[in-house]
Amino acid sequence: GENVEQHPSTLSVQEGDSAVIKCTYSDSASNYFPWYKQELGKRPQLIIDIRSNVGEKKDQRIAVTLNKTAKHFSLHITETQPEDSAVYFCAARPVTGNQFYFGTGTSLTVIP
Amino acid sequence: DVKVTQSSRYLVKRTGEKVFLECVQDMDHENMFWYRQDPGLGLRLIYFSYDVKMKEKGDIPEGYSVSREKKERFSLILESASTNQTSMYLCASSLSVLNTIYFGEGSWLTVV
Repeated sequence: GENVEQHPSTLSVQEGDSAVIKCTYSDSASNYFPWYKQELGKRPQLIIDIRSNVGEKKDQRIAVTLNKTAKHFSLHITETQPEDSAVYFCAARPVTGNQFYFGTGTSLTVIP
Repeated sequence: DVKVTQSSRYLVKRTGEKVFLECVQDMDHENMFWYRQDPGLGLRLIYFSYDVKMKEKGDIPEGYSVSREKKERFSLILESASTNQTSMYLCASSLSVLNTIYFGEGSWLTVV
C-alpha cells in the first residue's frame, strides 16, 4: 500500500517568516493530496488540496506544490502568524480505493 | 457545512469492558472512516465503510469491529478494551472516492 513520510516532525519559526513542510509518497497511482491543520484539542480541518494534474495551488498565504516525478509534495506558509501554530498533516489517496494515507504530522510553532 | 458528530468526547473505561464509539454525519456521505491518532504515529485507519452494512479493514483493525446499519451512522466497537487502546479516535466521512474527508471532533478514550 501507499506510504507517506512527512518532515520535519517539529518546526519553529519567527512570526512573519515562511514555513515549509514536505511529504513524500510511494504509490505513483496516488492522485489526490490534501493538507489538514489540527489545532490543539480540535478536529483536523482541510486547508488546501491538490490533484495530480496540477503542479501548484495557492490560497492566500498557503500554497502546495506537487512533483509527481519525485513523488513529493510540500506545504508552504508565508508571513506566518501565531494562529498558524498547529499540527499539520499531509495525506495521499491512490486512484483506486477509498483509503487516505496520512503522514505522521508536523507540529508548527510560530514565535511572536 | 459538513457536520460529523462524535457523541462521546471523553471516556474512561476499565480493561475488559466493551466500548462503543458513535459517529453521525449529516451530509448523506457514502464513505465513513475510523482513525486512531497517537503522538508520533499520525492518523492510522482502523476501519472504513463505503456503504451501509459494508466495511473494510484498515491498517490496524485488530481488537476493533465496526457497525454501519444506517448511512449516517458508523460505530466503532472495542470488544474488550485494553490499556494499549488508550488513544484519540477520529471519525470521518466523505461524499465519494473523489472527495476529501471531513473529521469529527474526536473521542479521547482512556482505558485503565
